[in-house]
Amino acid sequence: AQSVSQHNHHVILSEAASLELGCNYSYGGTVNLFWYVQYPGQHLQLLLKYFSGDPLVKGIKGFEAEFIKSKFSFNLRKPSVQWSDTAEYFCAVNGANNLFFGTGTRLTVIP
Amino acid sequence: NAGVMQNPRHLVRRRGQEARLRCSPMKGHSHVYWYRQLPEEGLKFMVYLQKENIIDESGMPKERFSAEFPKEGPSILRIQQVVRGDSAAYFCASSPTSGSSYEQYFGPGTRLTVT
Repeated sequence: AQSVSQHNHHVILSEAASLELGCNYSYGGTVNLFWYVQYPGQHLQLLLKYFSGDPLVKGIKGFEAEFIKSKFSFNLRKPSVQWSDTAEYFCAVNGANNLFFGTGTRLTVIP
Repeated sequence: NAGVMQNPRHLVRRRGQEARLRCSPMKGHSHVYWYRQLPEEGLKFMVYLQKENIIDESGMPKERFSAEFPKEGPSILRIQQVVRGDSAAYFCASSPTSGSSYEQYFGPGTRLTVT
């Protein structure tokens, strides 16, 4: 069965620190992977996605993620976070008809 | 091009009442998905619909919940006889097509509170 694990529930960083959020998935078929962000009071927005090709994908706002098939991972990274990155981040993997989401990681960036 | 629209944004119901949540997909999108987000949890898939058809309702509770996506008008998620455990954020998403290579666009959600 498909599943997504996000091991970091709450991450607190100072501005300019580097970020890496873990995501591991389980899926038997062709994998499509997504990172969504939910800013306080707002809806989910797509940060980046991986369908095929280059395993290092770049998204909006300076985020990137690397698909490592052997590790079943799709970790999200950003070299230098800003206060405005404070949000909840969700990793997701495709199912046959829907997306399976992790439980989310809450990122708090301290100015 | 307007995004996915949901209304109401906030809904308060007493136990035993009915809740109706509406979702208008993005223009040109004919696939609608409903997800529920319980406090401190990720989004959980409920149902996937195309116009006039329920394609996959494997995540839908067997009782009290129903969904439709009529030929005209928004998709409706209906919860009958609400209970406190139904309190959650309900998100709708849409996509132009289906299959494994798709991206879903999410609405702002409806926050249901059952008192």
